[in-house]
Amino acid sequence: EIVLTQSPGTLSLSPGERATLSCRASQSVSSSYLAWYQQKPGQAPRLLISGASSRATGIPDRFSGSGSGTDFTLTISRLEPEDFAVYYCQQYGSSPLTFGQGTKVEIK
Amino acid sequence: QITLKESGPTLVKPTQTLTLTCTFSGFSLNTSGVGVGWIRQPPGKALEWLALIYWDDDKRYSPSLKSRLTITKDTSKNQVVLTMTNMDPVDTATHYCGHTSNGWFDPWGQGTLVTVSS
Repeated sequence: EIVLTQSPGTLSLSPGERATLSCRASQSVSSSYLAWYQQKPGQAPRLLISGASSRATGIPDRFSGSGSGTDFTLTISRLEPEDFAVYYCQQYGSSPLTFGQGTKVEIK
Repeated sequence: QITLKESGPTLVKPTQTLTLTCTFSGFSLNTSGVGVGWIRQPPGKALEWLALIYWDDDKRYSPSLKSRLTITKDTSKNQVVLTMTNMDPVDTATHYCGHTSNGWFDPWGQGTLVTVSS
């Protein structure tokens, strides 16, 4: 089973700042089969990124994903008020599917 | 437009079996490559994948819960059903179903909270 470790646990930033979230895998994620989701309180997760770097339909271009192998990054170039939420990574390169424990982006 | 909605009991007793139904629209589980998965989230905690069923009836389960889970589909009703046996209070969680065609989930249902308590 691939264990995904997200860091930091909480990121305290101000609107307009850049957010950099990390997702590290315990073994290589094949073909960069890694997704990122955003979850706001009381809502279901929403897909942001698949294939490590492909934005989902309707996702603003301030969200970008990068990485390969065991190290992946989600970057939010300039935080908007609606971006403060919890972010999860998920690998789908091997079974079982696994999620990271999440990074909370909170307003500083 | 793809939509999914979870339904089932909000409260179950310890040792009981939980049955959840995901009713979807906007796609068919007869289409090659398409699947529906279940994911749960205990209050204040992270997401945990439970099970996945594909158009060809291929079924995948979380190894840690495999002995307790069964996933089935009814393509005529556009439904996927998940059963989880021997429920325990630690199984209290919001349960989501999600559409997949490549391994990621998009979109998700709104989720349904299941509380396990006597």
